[in-house]
Amino acid sequence: KAGVTQTPRYLIKTRGQQVTLSCSPISGHRSVSWYQQTPGQGLQFLFEYFSETQRNKGNFPGRFSGRQFSNSRSEMNVSTLELGDSALYLCASSPNPQNQPQHFGDGTRLSIL
Amino acid sequence: QQQVKQSPQSLIVQKGGISIINCAYENTAFDYFPWYQQFPGKGPALLIAIRPDVSEKKEGRFTISFNKSAKQFSLHIMDSQPGDSATYFCAASTGGGNKLTFGTGTQLKVEL
Repeated sequence: KAGVTQTPRYLIKTRGQQVTLSCSPISGHRSVSWYQQTPGQGLQFLFEYFSETQRNKGNFPGRFSGRQFSNSRSEMNVSTLELGDSALYLCASSPNPQNQPQHFGDGTRLSIL
Repeated sequence: QQQVKQSPQSLIVQKGGISIINCAYENTAFDYFPWYQQFPGKGPALLIAIRPDVSEKKEGRFTISFNKSAKQFSLHIMDSQPGDSATYFCAASTGGGNKLTFGTGTQLKVEL
């Protein structure tokens, strides 16, 4: 069974631009969560989607948004990029919101110049 | 109240020794406590998880000890091997859900 797939693996953007990251969950998994990982703040929860609906949201500004499609694939978007948005963005999937464990992808490394 | 405090920040253990990483939490609504292992360039991988109805769970060389009254839990890695050298994160969630609150991580190095 293929794991969680995140694309692209690496991305370089400049301040003020926007970016879209993609996540394909494990087949059959319908819950997708996103996390931001930085050396300073560690691993922080961004949001969770299930059945195309956002179930939970972390403490991030509105520039961070996401969506989920009917095939459970998910995208997250960051608008008006800031230097501080440089991070590893991780996607995790599970069968449903109450069914642990979550399986993580290897992330998208976003660098802002 | 949502924090999970993890210690130590880094740990060096000799091959064959026991690695111990500790976490403490404040939110008594947390009811799912997983440990993740992360290698450089990779995403976190689940090692072992526990729910508060048991005080200990063992899987191979990995054991979680859970103290509900003290609001603490720890990971013990027995017979530590160089291949265990990685960063370890504890985490917690409420309602067994997917919104994980992570500890700050422990960088483990197992020396020959």
